[in-house]
Amino acid sequence: QQPVQSPQAVILREGEDAVINCSSSKALYSVHWYRQKHGEAPVFLMILLKGGEQKGHDKISASFNEKKQQSSLYLTASQLSYSGTYFCGTPSEKTSYDKVIFGPGTSLSVIP
Amino acid sequence: NAGVTQTPKFRILKIGQSMTLQCTQDMNHNYMYWYRQDPGMGLKLIYYSVGAGITDKGEVPNGYNVSRSTTEDFPLRLELAAPSQTSVYFCASSYSLGSGANVLTFGAGSRLTVL
Repeated sequence: QQPVQSPQAVILREGEDAVINCSSSKALYSVHWYRQKHGEAPVFLMILLKGGEQKGHDKISASFNEKKQQSSLYLTASQLSYSGTYFCGTPSEKTSYDKVIFGPGTSLSVIP
Repeated sequence: NAGVTQTPKFRILKIGQSMTLQCTQDMNHNYMYWYRQDPGMGLKLIYYSVGAGITDKGEVPNGYNVSRSTTEDFPLRLELAAPSQTSVYFCASSYSLGSGANVLTFGAGSRLTVL
């Protein structure tokens, strides 16, 4: 079952913060985050493997709450280059980490 | 290092025609995937492969076929094209970080229109 993402879309001014949520009615075994700029291929951002894990680079970070079956992506002091669609992905089955399915995406637009 | 290469980049098909989307990777990844992305929508898994000779269905396999005779290549075959198959198709390959987690590298995509 496909994970759910919220919000569907968000518009920010440069310097503002945003949070994108990913959740599932089934267990999340790990969570991937990818960003896709318009007309391009998705690009890997980070992966969280364990409940309680937090990761980040630059001003983009993520957390994973295994018990709540959700993950959040945090974008702080947003830049124009952060614009794009953000997808969370998760293995569809615990025994098939290779079978990655994605949520519907969250469109993020950063304006000057 | 080319990564994941897809051909063609664009193609227009007539209803009922067949074609093969080619995908090759030079990273020696075991895992390969085909996703489709409809306009304004997310990525749907069509088929994936864990190694040469092994393939499995994803979320939306109907109307497609795959084969994996080598580690490098993972072609996607569309038989009897239908307008519902109009989409952008992404091929991806992945390596394992250990603990079973795979990081996907995507190709640039193939835009297919069926008229």
